[in-house]
Amino acid sequence: KAGVTQTPRYLIKTRGQQVTLSCSPISGHRSVSWYQQTPGQGLQFLFEYFSETQRNKGNFPGRFSGRQFSNSRSEMNVSTLELGDSALYLCASSLQRTSGGRFHEQYFGPGTRLTVT
Amino acid sequence: AQTVTQSQPEMSVQEAETVTLSCTYDTSESDYYLFWYKQPPSRQMILVIRQEAYKQQNATENRFSVNFQKAAKSFSLKISDSQLGDAAMYFCASRGATNKLIFGTGTLLAVQP
Repeated sequence: KAGVTQTPRYLIKTRGQQVTLSCSPISGHRSVSWYQQTPGQGLQFLFEYFSETQRNKGNFPGRFSGRQFSNSRSEMNVSTLELGDSALYLCASSLQRTSGGRFHEQYFGPGTRLTVT
Repeated sequence: AQTVTQSQPEMSVQEAETVTLSCTYDTSESDYYLFWYKQPPSRQMILVIRQEAYKQQNATENRFSVNFQKAAKSFSLKISDSQLGDAAMYFCASRGATNKLIFGTGTLLAVQP
């Protein structure tokens, strides 16, 4: 079974532009979460999508948004890019959301390295 | 709110030796999970081991084991018989009722041949 895939793997953008990153979860997985990884702030949760609905959101400005499609693929968008948005963006998928004490492991993709100049 | 603290930015171990990585956490949730993730230089985050908070028995996965001290909110990772392939950044993380992972700042482990 193929793992989590993220496209593109590398991206260079200019301040003020917008960017869209894509994540394809493992086949059958319905939950997709996004994380931002930077040297200064570490790994921070952006948001989680399940059944095309945002279920949880981290402490990021409204410039960061996302969506999930009916096939569970997810995209995240960052508008009006700032230098501080340069980061590795990681996507993780799991079969279901954790509920009723039943654990579902999250599998991470390789990430998209975004550089803002 | 949940927090995870890793106080060792870098660690080094000789091949075949044992090393312990430290982690403390804080959470207001009664049901939670704790994890150790490994991120090699290729950047793919891999789950090493997990611990359900309600289980008293420490989790073990081959050469990897944890020392879970619930009252002290401590969750350390022991790597036995260290191998060159164990060199990576190790992140301690917690998760409550949702899929939101809270990560520590990481410990960079070097393995010396």
